[in-house]
Amino acid sequence: NAGVTQTPKFQVLKTGQSMTLQCAQDMNHEYMSWYRQDPGMGLRLIHYSVGAGITDQGEVPNGYNVSRSTTEDFPLRLLSAAPSQTSVYFCASSYSRAGVRQETQYFGPGTRLLVL
Amino acid sequence: AQSVTQPDIHITVSEGASLELRCNYSYGATPYLFWYVQSPGQGLQLLLKYFSGDTLVQGIKGFEAEFKRSQSSFNLRKPSVHWSDAAEYFCAVGASQGAQKLVFGQGTRLTINP
Repeated sequence: NAGVTQTPKFQVLKTGQSMTLQCAQDMNHEYMSWYRQDPGMGLRLIHYSVGAGITDQGEVPNGYNVSRSTTEDFPLRLLSAAPSQTSVYFCASSYSRAGVRQETQYFGPGTRLLVL
Repeated sequence: AQSVTQPDIHITVSEGASLELRCNYSYGATPYLFWYVQSPGQGLQLLLKYFSGDTLVQGIKGFEAEFKRSQSSFNLRKPSVHWSDAAEYFCAVGASQGAQKLVFGQGTRLTINP
């Protein structure tokens, strides 16, 4: 298994440009999440999905869109990039078990984004 | 709302010395607690987790953590650190029933002196 994969590894954008960060997992996990990591702030949840066709907002959703058409993929879209979106983005996935609220999340290697 | 505080932004210890990284959480119910480690330029790797049961949890790489409900703490310990332990460490609490959301602390950067 490749686990959680993210592309690209690094991207430079100009303000106002759009792009999609890709995330895929081959573990048949139901849950997938996007986090951003900024210095001194840990990781903050952007959006998450509890299954194909179901998404919801996290702590910092503004400026980002997501969709989940398949179990494997969970892309994150920036419609009009802003310098404040310069960050490292991590995708994560986890499985579910009946009666268990929270399982271990497996993280991808991250995408480093610079918005000029 | 759930929150996690890691009071120490940066800690330096000598190789072979013991280590304790502090983590305090705020959560109304029984928390699900995690420690992750991030090496430079890498993703996050799970060190250990606490869901229920024994309050002393053993993890990988010789780490352990103790859940203390009375102190709302989940401190990470290692009896003797190695140079390869230099990394950033994140404590996290699982939030909201029925969803897979983590709330992270700010992280503690660990430097090892030779």
